Amino acid sequence: SQTIHQWPATLVQPVGSPLSLECTVEGTSNPNLYWYRQAAGRGLQLLFYSVGIGQISSEVPQNLSASRPQDRQFILSSKKLLLSDSGFYLCAWSAILDTQYFGPGTRLTVL
Amino acid sequence: TQLLEQSPQFLSIQEGENLTVYCNSSSVFSSLQWYRQEPGEGPVLLVTVVTGGEVKKLKRLTFQFGDARKDSSLHITAAQTGDTGLYLCAGNTGKLIFGQGTTLQVKP
Repeated sequence: SQTIHQWPATLVQPVGSPLSLECTVEGTSNPNLYWYRQAAGRGLQLLFYSVGIGQISSEVPQNLSASRPQDRQFILSSKKLLLSDSGFYLCAWSAILDTQYFGPGTRLTVL
Repeated sequence: TQLLEQSPQFLSIQEGENLTVYCNSSSVFSSLQWYRQEPGEGPVLLVTVVTGGEVKKLKRLTFQFGDARKDSSLHITAAQTGDTGLYLCAGNTGKLIFGQGTTLQVKP
């Protein structure tokens, strides 16, 4: 069966510091991978998606970037965090054009 | 811009009551998913509906996909405190378009 991991679970970072959030998927090959951000108690905003290694599509202009160095690894990064980057970050995977399955999320607080 | 309107935004009911949550769009979806999310956790898939007019039941939860595949509803019968959470619908157009969520509180 497939599982998806995210770490860290929570993170508190100062403004201007770098960021690296990691997501890995087990039990499937060549998944589509997604990064979302969620405001408290609200819907999800798609940030990036990837259909293969090194292939990244950005949905909204922002202070973040994403990379996919391996088939089942997806990384969300920033060189300098802003206060507005605080939020709940979710990684998801899917087979092509299929249902998405979410990881446990990372709570990021920028102070 | 593709939008998925979800209503109501908040719902607070007593245990044992029934409720319905709606998702509506002007877009046609190839499929639609419903998720439930607990605070501090990722959304968990409840169901995927694919065919227009389709009805799926998951214990006390009934999901319906509109005939034109533009809307969906989730009906919960005899709600329990364990049903409390954020319910999200998401329509698939090649990408998932999420509704803004319905926060359900079931009081004992």
